[in-house]
Amino acid sequence: NAGVMQNPRHLVRRRGQEARLRCSPMKGHSHVYWYRQLPEEGLKFMVYLQKENIIDESGMPKERFSAEFPKEGPSILRIQQVVRGDSAAYFCASSPRTWDSYEQYFGPGTRLTVT
Amino acid sequence: AQSVTQLDSQVPVFEEAPVELRCNYSSSVSVYLFWYVQYPNQGLQLLLKYLSGSTLVKGINGFEAEFNKSQTSFHLRKPSVHISDTAEYFCAVSPGQGAQKLVFGQGTRLTINP
Repeated sequence: NAGVMQNPRHLVRRRGQEARLRCSPMKGHSHVYWYRQLPEEGLKFMVYLQKENIIDESGMPKERFSAEFPKEGPSILRIQQVVRGDSAAYFCASSPRTWDSYEQYFGPGTRLTVT
Repeated sequence: AQSVTQLDSQVPVFEEAPVELRCNYSSSVSVYLFWYVQYPNQGLQLLLKYLSGSTLVKGINGFEAEFNKSQTSFHLRKPSVHISDTAEYFCAVSPGQGAQKLVFGQGTRLTINP
């Protein structure tokens, strides 16, 4: 059973460009979470999605950031008009259930560098 | 709201020595507790978790942790470390059944010296 897959692993964008980060959850998992890890810091929750629904986006910046998890295909975290402060590692995690979805499995992350 | 404090940002130890990484949390509700390990340039791997039951939890790679409700702590221990244990360790809390997001501590960098 393949683990959580994220691509690209490394992404370089110039200020003002758009960044698209993809996450394919583990087989059978229908819940996806995105976290951001700034340099020398722990992970911070951004958003929790189920198929075609955003369940909790309390950690998402109000502007430029959006996320989706369509019925078919991977979950996408989209950052418009990137700025240097967006440089970070973005991790996706997935879990299989709702009522006891306490265990999350993490992908290898996408390291975004904004130049 | 929940919060997690990892009391040491860096812990250097010698190979084969014991180690304890400290974690305290605050929460007004029952929580689930986790320890994750992150090797350089990799994602997070679950070491162990406490959901309920026995307060002493055993995980992978010889690690164990003890849940102490009165002290709101969940310290991670290993009796004898190996060079390969060099990594960043994160304590995390989830606010219980049905909840979704994990709240992480700042991390503790464990460095094993030969």
